[in-house]
Amino acid sequence: QKEVEQNSGPLSVPEGAIASLNCTYSDRVSQSFFWYRQYSGKSPELIMSIYSNGDKEDGRFTAQLNKASQYVSLLIRDSQPSDSATYLCAVKKYGNKLVFGAGTILRVKS
Amino acid sequence: NAGVTQTPKFQVLKTGQSMTLQCAQDMNHNSMYWYRQDPGMGLRLIYYSASEGTTDKGEVPNGYNVSRLNKREFSLRLESAAPSQTSVYFCASSETGYEQYFGPGTRLTVT
Repeated sequence: QKEVEQNSGPLSVPEGAIASLNCTYSDRVSQSFFWYRQYSGKSPELIMSIYSNGDKEDGRFTAQLNKASQYVSLLIRDSQPSDSATYLCAVKKYGNKLVFGAGTILRVKS
Repeated sequence: NAGVTQTPKFQVLKTGQSMTLQCAQDMNHNSMYWYRQDPGMGLRLIYYSASEGTTDKGEVPNGYNVSRLNKREFSLRLESAAPSQTSVYFCASSETGYEQYFGPGTRLTVT
């Protein structure tokens, strides 16, 4: 079992819709979770972090965490073609390390 | 403010050749990391350095060595390149490990 699992996609949504990206993790003691966005041919950039159960909103992005279910999600409201990218879920490990999922490809169609 | 810089951007090696990938950051971060990214595999940690003078193995260290030259610079060396090391290599830095800042990447092909 991979430590961090994501559906590889692609997830296709129409412009203006809500995109829902999901991630599960295996280590119950994990406390810190991150979503990175990576455009094709570019490097990853952090877009959201979440540490407590519940929702965290930042603009059009909402991160959701459920530690009991070991589940993290990212919602993108009013999706735009510029949101088309690969979204990487990451979980912080001991020693300042992150473990990344393989990423979900999102395609927003205009 | 350049952030994290990597050289070279592209490299083609023949099997058995050696090379060093260079990384530098100007954010005064303590921690630095080397990852490789392969299709369908996500980012996998090769080595990391929690602070100047320390280095530790990550998930896929075999075939690589690193040097934390000073607080700014962290290099990755391939002593004898193999086709399995064809990948995109990213360097990253972080102050706390919570938010990592990535360089632009090096695209390496080993023939």
